[in-house]
Amino acid sequence: QSALTQPASVSGSPGQSITISCTGTSSDVGGYDLVSWYQQHPGKAPKLMIYEGRKRPSGISNRFSGSKSDNTASLTISGLQAEDEADYYCSSYAGSHTLVFGGGTKLTVL
Amino acid sequence: QLQLQESGPGLVKPSETLSLTCTVSGGSIGSTTYYWGWIRQPPGKGLEWIGSIYREATYYNPSLKSRVAISVDTSKNQFSLKLSSVTAADTAVYYCGKLVVGGTSCDDWGQGTLVTVSS
Repeated sequence: QSALTQPASVSGSPGQSITISCTGTSSDVGGYDLVSWYQQHPGKAPKLMIYEGRKRPSGISNRFSGSKSDNTASLTISGLQAEDEADYYCSSYAGSHTLVFGGGTKLTVL
Repeated sequence: QLQLQESGPGLVKPSETLSLTCTVSGGSIGSTTYYWGWIRQPPGKGLEWIGSIYREATYYNPSLKSRVAISVDTSKNQFSLKLSSVTAADTAVYYCGKLVVGGTSCDDWGQGTLVTVSS
């Protein structure tokens, strides 16, 4: 069970859109529609932003969207805002009731 | 509003057992809807799933399976983590959480507690 692969960092200007990728294998990301995305601000607990690949929990802005193609899931943030600056982590169901996380991506709003 | 709170020693000696408890308020840990789990984050690093429990069934990260035990005490509305034979590599912020969608997403998190492994 290897960690999912995310870019170490991405950046964008306010109002722009950015996409963060999360690459796994057919045993995790590609095998199930069960990818989650979390936002984590410094010193805080992670916050669920997307579950089941593309669903948003109540209260999460529709500026956040999720998608998947083969073994790669993606998180897109549109209309970038300063408050979106944070670390983002993907996770995926990996079979046999196990989960695997990505290494995390630092989003900088320029 | 469900709340989760981790508690336990902040310092553990190498080779000893790390023990943490998560107290759940605002809801019943006996609910058959949710899984309950532990996730950790070494300083400056990413998240790692440790394991989850659903009713009496436990599921563990294969890389930690030989050292981990998670249990539930419904009378106290708590669940616990034990990690044996710890080393400095186990130093991390430990989070407890409520997992939904068959245990695949954590939608409620505790604030986290830092556990340092050092002599």
